Amino acid sequence: KQEVTQIPAALSVPEGENLVLNCSFTDSAIYNLQWFRQDPGKGLTSLLLIQSSQREQTSGRLNASLDKSSGRSTLYIAASQPGDSATYLCAVSRNTGTASKLTFGTGTRLQVTL
Amino acid sequence: DTEVTQTPKHLVMGMTNKKSLKCEQHMGHRAMYWYKQKAKKPPELMFVYSYEKLSINESVPSRFSPECPNSSLLNLHLHALQPEDSALYLCASSRQGLVLAGNTIYFGEGSWLTVV
Repeated sequence: KQEVTQIPAALSVPEGENLVLNCSFTDSAIYNLQWFRQDPGKGLTSLLLIQSSQREQTSGRLNASLDKSSGRSTLYIAASQPGDSATYLCAVSRNTGTASKLTFGTGTRLQVTL
Repeated sequence: DTEVTQTPKHLVMGMTNKKSLKCEQHMGHRAMYWYKQKAKKPPELMFVYSYEKLSINESVPSRFSPECPNSSLLNLHLHALQPEDSALYLCASSRQGLVLAGNTIYFGEGSWLTVV
């Protein structure tokens, strides 16, 4: 059974700092990995998707890397802003026939302070 | 329009009630999903519909009954729920059931369900 863990569980940083969120998974037979953001009481917003054959993806201040063989991914956030405060979730996907199953990590709750 | 709309946003129901959660998307997506999320926990997959057919049922109790009347709508019928079923229920959609590059999954804002 796939298990996805995120470290740290919570993180507080001052505005402007660069930071790294970690995600590890136990079964490397994944199709891709996605990073999501969830604001309190809200749904999830997809940030980045990395195919299993790719090493990294970038979108603005965000950069996600994937090392499938070691079961690890990182999300790098540059020059953090208070608006980045949210819970960040990674999710790995496995295709089964005509549908995919996403298994989510435990999440990292990020607070960026002024 | 990259939106998944869920109604109602909040629902309180008794253990003997029958209610439904509704989800709608107009992005032409052919895969739709129900996830359940307990407080401070990650979402857990319940059901996947692909081309209006049920593709995945994660051994969900029969008191939850999904329905996909057409490619834009997804319902979750609720009957005889327990207090432990109280959670945020998230609907999502993607262009197709297989998660591929560019086939991003879009989530709705969820329906908060409280069973009393």
